[in-house]
Amino acid sequence: NAGVTQTPKFRVLKTGQSMTLLCAQDMNHEYMYWYRQDPGMGLRLIHYSVGEGTTAKGEVPDGYNVSRLKKQNFLLGLESAAPSQTSVYFCASRDGNRDYQPQHFGDGTRLSIL
Amino acid sequence: AQTVTQSQPEMSVQEAETVTLSCTYDTSESDYYLFWYKQPPSRQMILVIRQEAYKQQNATENRFSVNFQKAAKSFSLKISDSQLGDAAMYFCAYRTYTGTASKLTFGTGTRLQVTL
Repeated sequence: NAGVTQTPKFRVLKTGQSMTLLCAQDMNHEYMYWYRQDPGMGLRLIHYSVGEGTTAKGEVPDGYNVSRLKKQNFLLGLESAAPSQTSVYFCASRDGNRDYQPQHFGDGTRLSIL
Repeated sequence: AQTVTQSQPEMSVQEAETVTLSCTYDTSESDYYLFWYKQPPSRQMILVIRQEAYKQQNATENRFSVNFQKAAKSFSLKISDSQLGDAAMYFCAYRTYTGTASKLTFGTGTRLQVTL
């Protein structure tokens, strides 16, 4: 039971570099989400998607882009990384047809920007 | 916009004792979901318990139970017979009942220590 898989688990970048975080889910979920978690704060929503080919902004979208070309994958991109983007990133998915179902989370990606 | 407040940054409990973690929220909606997630040092986000606002009965999952007070907008988590494995960050979260995406709004978390 893979559930939600995030790649990579750790990454160190230099300021200005770009990278893509990959989230894959094998539960056929319609909804997918990207969050960031910073010390002393709860998870904050960056972007989300309600289906293949759709994306929308969350609470803290600036500096990030996303794509959902396939239903099972949700990519989070940093075009020009900044130290303020140092954080732990979580991906989550949910069955959009069953409203009572909770979100399932990946194990997170720790990203450090030097 | 909904907000979730966890006023206890840290709590401590002795093994086998009971502890209650507090959570309050602000919303103008009448139907919604509330969740408690556990985050151990492994960083996983693990669902502990959930409550539908339209249900008056408090949810229970083994040693975990909630005290849901809808009028007071309070949603506390009680852990009975605490175990060392319960040590973790606990996050309270709110979710709209309907609508697209049904995004989660999290509190800032409570770190629970379990001592011998």
